[in-house]
Amino acid sequence: AQRVTQPEKLLSVFKGAPVELKCNYSYSGSPELFWYVQYSRQRLQLLLRHISRESIKGFTADLNKGETSFHLKKPFAQEEDSAMYYCALSGPGETSGSRLTFGEGTQLTVNP
Amino acid sequence: EAQVTQNPRYLITVTGKKLTVTCSQNMNHEYMSWYRQDPGLGLRQIYYSMNVEVTDKGDVPEGYKVSRKEKRNFPLILESPSPNQTSLYFCASSSGQPRIYNEQFFGPGTRLTVL
Repeated sequence: AQRVTQPEKLLSVFKGAPVELKCNYSYSGSPELFWYVQYSRQRLQLLLRHISRESIKGFTADLNKGETSFHLKKPFAQEEDSAMYYCALSGPGETSGSRLTFGEGTQLTVNP
Repeated sequence: EAQVTQNPRYLITVTGKKLTVTCSQNMNHEYMSWYRQDPGLGLRQIYYSMNVEVTDKGDVPEGYKVSRKEKRNFPLILESPSPNQTSLYFCASSSGQPRIYNEQFFGPGTRLTVL
């Protein structure tokens, strides 16, 4: 069964400090991995996906198949990055577009 | 504006009283899903639908029903709600094409309390 684990429920850093949100997964095969973010009073929205190898709002995430990890990183955190972050996994196949397994979420707080 | 809408946004009910939470999307998306969000557990998928009249169970389907009679609507039905279904519910939709770049669009959430 596929599973996503985010070991940190809460993460607090100061503005300008580097931040790393951890995500580990278990899946027998080649998963598709995503980071979703939920800012206060806003809807859950896609931040980035591993297949695109993109940097969004200064965030990057590298898929490490050996360690089965997909950690989210940003070199200099900003106060507006404060939000709940969810790592999510989708397996290949016909229904992968609809089947997402989420981690427990990490609440990031960036202090001034 | 392209979006997913849910109604009601807040609902307080009593055990055993049937209720329906509606979900509608105006993006002509094929895929729709329901999730529940609970503290410490993240989001868990309840049901999903790949197209009209095609639905399947997610990870926590017990106590829920869904239907997909029209492409734009995907209501969540609780035939006999119980207190353990108190949660924050999210509806989401996605186009499904191309598959590997798929993105799910979420509704604003429905906070349900079952007394």
